[in-house]
Amino acid sequence: DADVTQTPRNRITKTGKRIMLECSQTKGHDRMYWYRQDPGLGLQLIYYSFDVKDINKGEISDGYSVSRQAQAKFSLSLESAIPNQTALYFCATSDPGQGQETQYFGPGTRLLVL
Amino acid sequence: DQQVKQNSPSLSVQEGRISILNCDYTNSMFDYFLWYKKYPAEGPTFLISISSIKDKNEDGRFTVFLNKSAKHLSLHIVPSQPGDSAVYFCAASNSGGSNYKLTFGKGTLLTVNP
Repeated sequence: DADVTQTPRNRITKTGKRIMLECSQTKGHDRMYWYRQDPGLGLQLIYYSFDVKDINKGEISDGYSVSRQAQAKFSLSLESAIPNQTALYFCATSDPGQGQETQYFGPGTRLLVL
Repeated sequence: DQQVKQNSPSLSVQEGRISILNCDYTNSMFDYFLWYKKYPAEGPTFLISISSIKDKNEDGRFTVFLNKSAKHLSLHIVPSQPGDSAVYFCAASNSGGSNYKLTFGKGTLLTVNP
């Protein structure tokens, strides 16, 4: 079984709709992240969470919100989807215990906003 | 301001030969560097990392070299195999500061021809 799972894997929605992307992990990591990737670009950080009571904005948080329901679950919401939010979305986790952190990614969600 | 640059969008090599992927960075505070590999429809997979206290790290067919004075790192794959065909992302972080934050390059598409 995958350590970091994301649902759904693909989603088509319309402008103005609210949608939620979900991430679950079995790695036991405290830290979780949401990234988006646009064609030809690297990954950009949307939000991150160091534990269930800690939520922080990343580089591109406008138009997004998150919820850390448990150590293992971190969801990303688009309150009112717009076409330029069409992208690949990745969840990642890391363990702060090692100093220099390596992040481990889920398989991604491909989102199309019409 | 792009702090991590992968100036070659693509690279094509023959099976059995060496693949060299390059990455440049501008932030002198970066002290931990990672390479991720990404297949289509999958999330990035951690490949290899290097701390700034080293200039080389090797793991099987993969070696990462770090030249701090030039702010340059490279990933060598020897020998290259068709299964290595993927997008490779370089990432960097400042472990002494906000060590959660990985800054990614835009990626290089490696194609290994049989």
